[in-house]
Amino acid sequence: GNSVTQMEGPVTLSEEAFLTINCTYTATGYPSLFWYVQYPGEGLQLLLKATKADDKGSNKGFEATYRKETTSFHLEKGSVQVSDSAVYFCALLISSGSARQLTFGSGTQLTVLP
Amino acid sequence: GAGVSQSPSNKVTEKGKDVELRCDPISGHTALYWYRQSLGQGLEFLIYFQGNSAPDKSGLPSDRFSAERTGGSVSTLTIQRTQQEDSAVYLCASSLAGGAVYGYTFGSGTRLTVV
Repeated sequence: GNSVTQMEGPVTLSEEAFLTINCTYTATGYPSLFWYVQYPGEGLQLLLKATKADDKGSNKGFEATYRKETTSFHLEKGSVQVSDSAVYFCALLISSGSARQLTFGSGTQLTVLP
Repeated sequence: GAGVSQSPSNKVTEKGKDVELRCDPISGHTALYWYRQSLGQGLEFLIYFQGNSAPDKSGLPSDRFSAERTGGSVSTLTIQRTQQEDSAVYLCASSLAGGAVYGYTFGSGTRLTVV
């Protein structure tokens, strides 16, 4: 079956530190990969995506590269801000037959301290 | 509308009562999904509607859970005879068909507390 494994949190960093949140996946077929972010008290928001191998998704200073050889989609940011404090979810989507639902990782809580 | 709207935002109910949760998707989005977010459990898929096709109900945890989507738009998730383990945030999302290119747009969720 399809699954997503995320780096366990919580992660606490100082402002301007470098961030990596690891994500690996298992999938049959060729998934699209996503990072969603959930700020406190809000719903999930799409942060970035990649639909094929070697694609790089980027948004708001965050980046992730679709690595088929290592089945990974690690999230990185060079300099985090306090406003980046949120829960980050890695997810995959396989579009085959009638199956269309996103499969999510367990989420990683990030706290950035001033 | 501009986004996915869910109501109510919070619901407290007594064990054994029925509840209905509503989702109003983005206009023109043919696909609609319900997920459940429980503390320490991550996001759990419940049900998926795509156009006029039969829904994918494979994620519903028991026969106390049901959902319908009227006119290809608004959806209602119903939980009968609620139990304490049903307490969670119920998230609705919509997308253009498939969702592989644009991803899903999520609502802010309904926080259900069963006491």
